[in-house]
Amino acid sequence: GNSVTQMEGPVTLSEEAFLTINCTYTATGYPSLFWYVQYPGEGLQLLLKATKADDKGSNKGFEATYRKETTSFHLEKGSVQVSDSAVYFCALSSGAGSYQLTFGKGTKLSVIP
Amino acid sequence: DAGVIQSPRHEVTEMGQEVTLRCKPISGHDYLFWYRQTMMRGLELLIYFNNNVPIDDSGMPEDRFSAKMPNASFSTLKIQPSEPRDSAVYFCASSRDLRPQHFGDGTRLSIL
Repeated sequence: GNSVTQMEGPVTLSEEAFLTINCTYTATGYPSLFWYVQYPGEGLQLLLKATKADDKGSNKGFEATYRKETTSFHLEKGSVQVSDSAVYFCALSSGAGSYQLTFGKGTKLSVIP
Repeated sequence: DAGVIQSPRHEVTEMGQEVTLRCKPISGHDYLFWYRQTMMRGLELLIYFNNNVPIDDSGMPEDRFSAKMPNASFSTLKIQPSEPRDSAVYFCASSRDLRPQHFGDGTRLSIL
């Protein structure tokens, strides 16, 4: 079956530091890949997505590249801000006529001034 | 768009009671998903609907859980009888066609 593995947190960074959150996946076929972000007390929001190999998703300074050869979709940001503190979820959809998502366990990021 | 609306935001009840969680999807969305989030198991898909019809309920943990979608603008998730291990945050999400899902703010459920 499908599965997503994320680096375990929590991750604590100083403001303006570089961020990487690793994500690898196992899936049949050609899944679409997503990063969602969850701020305290809120639901998940789509941060970025990529639908095929070598696609790069980007939004709000975050980027992730769909690497089929390494089955990875690592999230990066060059300079984090305090407002980026949240839980980040990597997810995949295997398509097949639905958008059923399989999520990783989430990585909590705390950015300190 | 008003977004996905869930109610109540918080629910505290005693073991054995019936619990009903409600969801209003975004207008025009034809897929609706119910998820459960816990520290131990993360986010789990419980059930999803397409055009008000349940498509996959394999994630529903046991017969105490049931979900309905009587029309395109409303869905419920019921737990009867509730147990302490059902304590979690329950999310509803909706999407149009095969576009990414939009999540509600969740219902934090505590069963004493």
